Amino acid sequence: KNQVEQSPQSLIILEGKNCTLQCNYTVSPFSNLRWYKQDTGRGPVSLTIMTFSENTKSNGRYTATLDADTKQSSLHITASQLSDSASYICVVSSFRSYGKLTFGQGTILTVHP
Amino acid sequence: GAVVSQHPSRVICKSGTSVKIECRSLDFQATTMFWYRQFPKQSLMLMATSNEGSKATYEQGVEKDKFLINHASLTLSTLTVTSAHPEDSSFYICSALPFRLAGEGDTQYFGPGTRLTVL
Repeated sequence: KNQVEQSPQSLIILEGKNCTLQCNYTVSPFSNLRWYKQDTGRGPVSLTIMTFSENTKSNGRYTATLDADTKQSSLHITASQLSDSASYICVVSSFRSYGKLTFGQGTILTVHP
Repeated sequence: GAVVSQHPSRVICKSGTSVKIECRSLDFQATTMFWYRQFPKQSLMLMATSNEGSKATYEQGVEKDKFLINHASLTLSTLTVTSAHPEDSSFYICSALPFRLAGEGDTQYFGPGTRLTVL
C-alpha cells in the first residue's frame, strides 16, 4: 500500500531559527515528490517538486532533498519567519496512477516571535 | 502561474439543503479536476476525479448520489452536496491538472478551498 509518513507531527520554533521536516514514503513506482505549504483555511501551495534523479531543490528559504534509494525526503527552512507558520505536506505521485497523489498527514509548524 | 479559484469560499446552510461549489481554472485548461475534503488537523482525502465530458470517478466510500460532480467545460467543475447534513461540514478543496506541459509532469494546482458548515 502506498504511504507517506511525515515527522514531526508538529514543531514550534523561534523566529529566525532553522528547521528540518522529514518525509518517508513507500509509493512505487515513484514519479515525483512535492512539498506543499498549506496556511490555515487555504488550499495547498507548491513549494518544490523533485523527480527521482534530483537530490536537492531550493525555492528561496526552502530547500528540499530527496534520497530515492532510502525513499526519504526533507524540507529545510532557513531563517524562519512568522509567516512560515503553516502545515507542510509531503505529497508523492506514482507513474501507475497518473494524477492521483498520496498525501502525508502534514507537519504543523508554528513560528513564535 | 496557474491559478485555480473556488466559489464560494465559505457557505453556511441548513440541514437538508443542497450546496454547489464551483472550481475554475483561470488561465489554463484542465481535462481533469479532483475534489478533496479535509477535516481539521487531517490531510486531504480524495473524493473523486472529474474528467471533462465524462462521468466522475468516485473513491471508495464516497456516495456519488450525494456528491454530484459536473465537469461541463475545460475550465469548470462543480461539486454539489445534496441534502447536506452536519457531518458533511468540512473543508472542500479542488485541484486542476493542466494538459501536460514540458517539465510540469502531473502537477496539480489547488484551489483555495471552500468551508462548508451545515447547521
